[in-house]
Amino acid sequence: KQEVTQIPAALSVPEGENLVLNCSFTDSAIYNLQWFRQDPGKGLTSLLLIQSSQREQTSGRLNASLDKSSGRSTLYIAASQPGDSATYLCAVRDNNDMRFGAGTRLTVKP
Amino acid sequence: GAGVSQTPSNKVTEKGKYVELRCDPISGHTALYWYRQSLGQGPEFLIYFQGTGAADDSGLPNDRFFAVRPEGSVSTLKIQRTERGDSAVYLCASSLTGSAGQETQYFGPGTRLLVL
Repeated sequence: KQEVTQIPAALSVPEGENLVLNCSFTDSAIYNLQWFRQDPGKGLTSLLLIQSSQREQTSGRLNASLDKSSGRSTLYIAASQPGDSATYLCAVRDNNDMRFGAGTRLTVKP
Repeated sequence: GAGVSQTPSNKVTEKGKYVELRCDPISGHTALYWYRQSLGQGPEFLIYFQGTGAADDSGLPNDRFFAVRPEGSVSTLKIQRTERGDSAVYLCASSLTGSAGQETQYFGPGTRLLVL
């Protein structure tokens, strides 16, 4: 059974810092990996989707990498802003099932 | 509509009661997913619809949980004889075709269910 782990569980940084969130998964036979953002009391917003054949995806200040063979993904956030404060979830898709990590709760202090 | 909508946004019920949670997917999306998210955890897959049929219901925890999508658009998640452990946020998502590895899933805001 696929297990997804996110480290750290919580992270607090001053505004302007670059930061990296980590995601690991146990079964490398995945279709894709997706990073989501969740604000308190809200649903999930998709940030980046990396297909299994891809190594990375970029959108603005966000860059996500995927190393399928080692079961790892990272989400890099450049020049963090207070508006980036949220919980970041990674999820891997195998067949119909999307399995999520427990998330990293990010706080960016002004 | 512009996005996935879910009603009600909050539901408080008593142990043993029956509840229905509704999801309106993005217009034209054939794939629809239900997830459950407990406090401090990531969402857990419950069931996946392709059109009107449940293509994968392996995530439903027991037979008190049931979901339908009779016309291939709106879906209803039904929970019988609710238990306190059913308290969670129930999230719905939709995608265009459900083709694995191809698509982003778009999530609704969720229904917060509290069973007293």
